[in-house]
Amino acid sequence: NAGVTQTPKFQVLKTGQSMTLQCAQDMNHEYMSWYRQDPGMGLRLIHYSVGAGITDQGEVPNGYNVSRSTTEDFPLRLLSAAPSQTSVYFCASSPGSSGANVLTFGAGSRLTVL
Amino acid sequence: DAKTTQPTSMDCAEGRAANLPCNHSTISGNEYVYWYRQIHSQGPQYIIHGLKNNETNEMASLIITEDRKSSTLILPHATLRDTAVYYCIVRALSGAGSYQLTFGKGTKLSVIP
Repeated sequence: NAGVTQTPKFQVLKTGQSMTLQCAQDMNHEYMSWYRQDPGMGLRLIHYSVGAGITDQGEVPNGYNVSRSTTEDFPLRLLSAAPSQTSVYFCASSPGSSGANVLTFGAGSRLTVL
Repeated sequence: DAKTTQPTSMDCAEGRAANLPCNHSTISGNEYVYWYRQIHSQGPQYIIHGLKNNETNEMASLIITEDRKSSTLILPHATLRDTAVYYCIVRALSGAGSYQLTFGKGTKLSVIP
């Protein structure tokens, strides 16, 4: 099993451009989430989904959109990139949203906005 | 609000046990304690979790105090590859606390040769 796959690993954008960070899991996990990590900081929750068709906001949702049309995929969209969105982004999933479930993380996507 | 408190950094001699403390004094009865680690800028790696009882797996042991207000992650024989940032988080069994996870800054563990 591949686990949680994130693409691209690296991306450079200009201010105002849009892009989508892809996240796919092959473990049939119901719960998926996106985090961002800034230098010297812990992870901050952007958006999460407890199942296909269901999404909700986390701690820092502004500037990001998500959708969950399938169980496997949870893309993160930046509609108009800003330098403040320069960060490392991690996608994570777990079998369910229950606290008894272990969260599995992807390898990360490093985004630079100029 | 931070749900857990961890020291900013710790050192451990190679081959010795590394004991990483975590304070979670406001933990409720349905919240699990999870430990993850992050090596360089890689994705966080699951280590261990527990609810009430002490737990052990091939990577580490987790000791939870009887009042559940604190816990200690033990790496029995630290190696250089254990140098990482270790995160202690709490995750509720259900509700908002189960899917709105909060990661603090963690403990930077440096294993010294």
